[in-house]
Amino acid sequence: AQSVAQPEDQVNVAEGNPLTVKCTYSVSGNPYLFWYVQYPNRGLQFLLKYITGDNLVKGSYGFEAEFNKSQTSFHLKKPSALVSDSALYFCAVRGPYSSASKIIFGSGTRLSIRP
Amino acid sequence: GAGVSQSPSNKVTEKGKDVELRCDPISGHTALYWYRQSLGQGLEFLIYFQGNSAPDKSGLPSDRFSAERTGGSVSTLTIQRTQQEDSAVYLCASNPGDRTDTQYFGPGTRLTVL
Repeated sequence: AQSVAQPEDQVNVAEGNPLTVKCTYSVSGNPYLFWYVQYPNRGLQFLLKYITGDNLVKGSYGFEAEFNKSQTSFHLKKPSALVSDSALYFCAVRGPYSSASKIIFGSGTRLSIRP
Repeated sequence: GAGVSQSPSNKVTEKGKDVELRCDPISGHTALYWYRQSLGQGLEFLIYFQGNSAPDKSGLPSDRFSAERTGGSVSTLTIQRTQQEDSAVYLCASNPGDRTDTQYFGPGTRLTVL
């Protein structure tokens, strides 16, 4: 069975500092990994995804994520946080096998950037 | 183009009543998902459609929950005999159907069971 974990309910970072939001996964075979963001009172939006190739994936709003197969992780990062990055972030995973494999989401991490 | 739409946006109902939630996916998207999000919490997978069939219904919490999809398009999630613990935001998402595709989410239906 596939699963995804976000070990931190909340991450607090000062504006201008680097940020990391952690995600680990479990899936048979090579995973497809995604990050989504949910701003207050807005729908979920796609940030970036890893399918294959370069382990460092760049996405929207200056975010990037690094796929680490040995650690089964896909942590979200940004070199310099903005107050406007404050939101709820979700990691998601889908297994490669079977057309019926579903996309499942982690429990979410609330990112709070203080001025 | 039009995104994923859901209706109603808000639904308040009394305990024990049945409710129907509707999702209109993006035209041409063959995959459709239903998720539930309790206040400020994570996304709980409910059911997934590929075309009109549902390969995975494992997330439906109980037999009070059912969903159907017709014409490979509109989907309806029905909750019978609603309970207070059913209160949540119900999110629908669609994608073109390839397993590498990103999800396009609707705005959600906020269900409140009194």
